[in-house]
Amino acid sequence: GAGVSQSPSNKVTEKGKDVELRCDPISGHTALYWYRQSLGQGLEFLIYFQGNSAPDKSGLPSDRFSAERTGGSVSTLTIQRTQQEDSAVYLCASSALGGGSPLHFGNGTRLTVT
Amino acid sequence: KQEVTQIPAALSVPEGENLVLNCSFTDSAIYNLQWFRQDPGKGLTSLLLIQSSQREQTSGRLNASLDKSSGRSTLYIAASQPGDSATYLCAVRTGNDMRFGAGTRLTVKP
Repeated sequence: GAGVSQSPSNKVTEKGKDVELRCDPISGHTALYWYRQSLGQGLEFLIYFQGNSAPDKSGLPSDRFSAERTGGSVSTLTIQRTQQEDSAVYLCASSALGGGSPLHFGNGTRLTVT
Repeated sequence: KQEVTQIPAALSVPEGENLVLNCSFTDSAIYNLQWFRQDPGKGLTSLLLIQSSQREQTSGRLNASLDKSSGRSTLYIAASQPGDSATYLCAVRTGNDMRFGAGTRLTVKP
């Protein structure tokens, strides 16, 4: 597609429920990132996928968070047993292979846990 | 661990002024530095990317410089316009992820 696509754009869920957030990167981009942006805060790195390599999960805040990337394209971020502190905007970005390539971001999913 | 700092946190200027946003980082072993713009409720839009071997990049009224040895970058905006009002973020790539500053919230008053 023309850009990084994320769905849903907004998600309201009850505390304790599981949620799945989807990211469709730019076609041909091998690198995919998930970030979290809490209200008034900077971007917090969550996880990084590069091709078929093992993902860098060093930013995931707890074992309630997991992500997968199927077929080297679409990625799903799953949050289990959501807590109110999980409320944030979850941003996905992709880039072409290589450390010198720019990141392209989607518009994010705004998650509200009530 | 790479730390990225942006000052000022907020800036308000009248239309037409030239302005400079600052970004500093603690680890000079970077691949590149990227400046983004974020409008309220939106994702990030890439403005300029400077590779580690470069000193500056220009796009229209925007000019970004990089001094890797001192861990600094500046974003210069010429002849500011109300449409430039947004949050500006710098991000530094070291390894797999990019580390972001907290941003500078810019308001350009008509």
